[in-house]
Amino acid sequence: AQSVTQLDSQVPVFEEAPVELRCNYSSSVSVYLFWYVQYPNQGLQLLLKYLSGSTLVKGINGFEAEFNKSQTSFHLRKPSVHISDTAEYFCAVMEGGGGSNYKLTFGKGTLLTVNP
Amino acid sequence: DAGITQSPRHKVTETGTPVTLRCHQTENHRYMYWYRQDPGHGLRLIHYSYGVKDTDKGEVSDGYSVSRSKTEDFLLTLESATSSQTSVYFCAVSSGQTYNEQFFGPGTRLTVL
Repeated sequence: AQSVTQLDSQVPVFEEAPVELRCNYSSSVSVYLFWYVQYPNQGLQLLLKYLSGSTLVKGINGFEAEFNKSQTSFHLRKPSVHISDTAEYFCAVMEGGGGSNYKLTFGKGTLLTVNP
Repeated sequence: DAGITQSPRHKVTETGTPVTLRCHQTENHRYMYWYRQDPGHGLRLIHYSYGVKDTDKGEVSDGYSVSRSKTEDFLLTLESATSSQTSVYFCAVSSGQTYNEQFFGPGTRLTVL
């Protein structure tokens, strides 16, 4: 079984500042890793994913994440945030190769609030 | 948006009544999932389907049942709703091209009084 820990439930930042949202996972098998974003009163949208290959993954809206196998982490970063990035961000893990019927296990979410 | 609709979008019901939520997709995805979202808990998997008439339990399946009689529809039923089932329910589907990506519907907000 997998689990995901998002270390910060809330992250307030000022506009144009850099941000890092932290995610750690545990699993006894290889995994795929995902970040989803949820804007207020909307469904979830995929930001980026790591399946294999390069450990630095770039996603939409200028976000990127780095997979670190030794630290079992997949932290999300953006060098300069905008007001429009205010949303809740979810880290999720899936058993690699689809062995679990492609089920996702989510973290509890991090609410990113960008202030002017 | 992967052609996913959920109905109803909002529902208020009373304890003890049956409730059925519908997820409809138009792109022939094989896998479909039901999640609930609660503050402080993120999204938790209730049930999922890996084909017509093929379903299985997720992490929080107690009090819920599902059915999938055709590819495009996945129904979630609360046989006798309780206040603890007040939540936002999301349906998701797996892409036909890359099963590892899930696409989410807009959600159904259910309130059980």
